[in-house]
Amino acid sequence: ETGVTQTPRHLVMGMTNKKSLKCEQHLGHNAMYWYKQSAKKPLELMFVYSLEERVENNSVPSRFSPECPNSSHLFLHLHTLQPEDSALYLCASSQDLAGEETQYFGPGTRLLVL
Amino acid sequence: AQSVTQLDSQVPVFEEAPVELRCNYSSSVSVYLFWYVQYPNQGLQLLLKYLSGSTLVESINGFEAEFNKSQTSFHLRKPSVHISDTAEYFCAVSETGNEKLTFGTGTRLTIIP
Repeated sequence: ETGVTQTPRHLVMGMTNKKSLKCEQHLGHNAMYWYKQSAKKPLELMFVYSLEERVENNSVPSRFSPECPNSSHLFLHLHTLQPEDSALYLCASSQDLAGEETQYFGPGTRLLVL
Repeated sequence: AQSVTQLDSQVPVFEEAPVELRCNYSSSVSVYLFWYVQYPNQGLQLLLKYLSGSTLVESINGFEAEFNKSQTSFHLRKPSVHISDTAEYFCAVSETGNEKLTFGTGTRLTIIP
């Protein structure tokens, strides 16, 4: 049990749909992250939040919109996605925003865009 | 900018044989180094990490990695693998003063009975 949960675990959506991914951490951490994991590619950092403020946005298309209402919850709102956005989306948290901190990952949401 | 190279995308190993998974990094400053493991249908979890001090770090399930600054490497080793070690292994690096964690492309370890 990692202490980080993600829902849904699987999602199929059309290119015109709007959906949201949810992440919740039960570890009392101050930093949360969204990553995209595609086959044969390194994990891509998408967004970083520290104490509910976004501190990094790695040139992610605007069809991905993050939301962090409090330090325990993180959302990724999706709209008008493309087939190449199909991937495993991982949420992670760490105690603080520091390079030596261990990141704790959720099980991911497997997204398929048709 | 930091980067990580895992040259082996797949490594098949017989059960109870030794294994080494290679990781090389590139950075112009001091680094922290990590190995994460991803079991099927799960997220990543920390296996071990090097922050400072002894260059040899160990995990609770028999893996070890050695930080070699001159060769900019952080290879992962285990003297005798088990079926339960089947997973994908990711090497990652962060630079001191930079919170960003950069991952390699991963190495899929397959254990042959």
